[in-house]
Amino acid sequence: GAGVSQSPSNKVTEKGKDVELRCDPISGHTALYWYRQSLGQGLEFLIYFQGNSAPDKSGLPSDRFSAERTGGSVSTLTIQRTQQEDSAVYLCASSLAPLSAGGTGANVLTFGAGSRLTVL
Amino acid sequence: SQKIEQNSEALNIQEGKTATLTCNYTNYSPAYLQWYRQDPGRGPVFLLLIRENEKEKRKERLKVTFDTTLKQSLFHITASQPADSATYLCALGGGYIPTFGRGTSLIVHP
Repeated sequence: GAGVSQSPSNKVTEKGKDVELRCDPISGHTALYWYRQSLGQGLEFLIYFQGNSAPDKSGLPSDRFSAERTGGSVSTLTIQRTQQEDSAVYLCASSLAPLSAGGTGANVLTFGAGSRLTVL
Repeated sequence: SQKIEQNSEALNIQEGKTATLTCNYTNYSPAYLQWYRQDPGRGPVFLLLIRENEKEKRKERLKVTFDTTLKQSLFHITASQPADSATYLCALGGGYIPTFGRGTSLIVHP
């Protein structure tokens, strides 16, 4: 598509329920990122995909969080047994294939509008 | 640990003036620095990129400077307009995962 699409745009759930957030990146973008933005906070890195592989998942806050990417395209972020502190806007971004870590690649990220998660 | 600081207080300026936003960092030697704009309810949008070997970059009314000695970047919007009102985020990187600051809110008054 023309841009990065995320769904749902808003999700209200009860504590303890599982949620799935979907990201459809720009066609041809092999790199995909998930960030989380809480009120008044910066963007917190969660996980990075290159193709279908996740070489860096260091930002996932706990084992309740997982993500996958299939066909080098759509990605799903799953949060199990949601807690109130999981409430945030979850942002997905994609970019063209980056250079390797430590190189001078300078990925320009294209973000989706985000999925706002509210855990009651 | 790496730290990126952007002024948490909103910057209020009058239309037509130059807005200057600051991004400071510590414990980091980024290869590049990016600035993004974020409007309420939307994801950040890329504006400008500057590499460590560049001192200044311009794009229309925007100008970015990058001082690796001071560990600081300044982001300028000249002839500011109310439509420039938004939150501006700086992002630093040396590889493939940019690290973002919290952003500074800019409010341009007509």
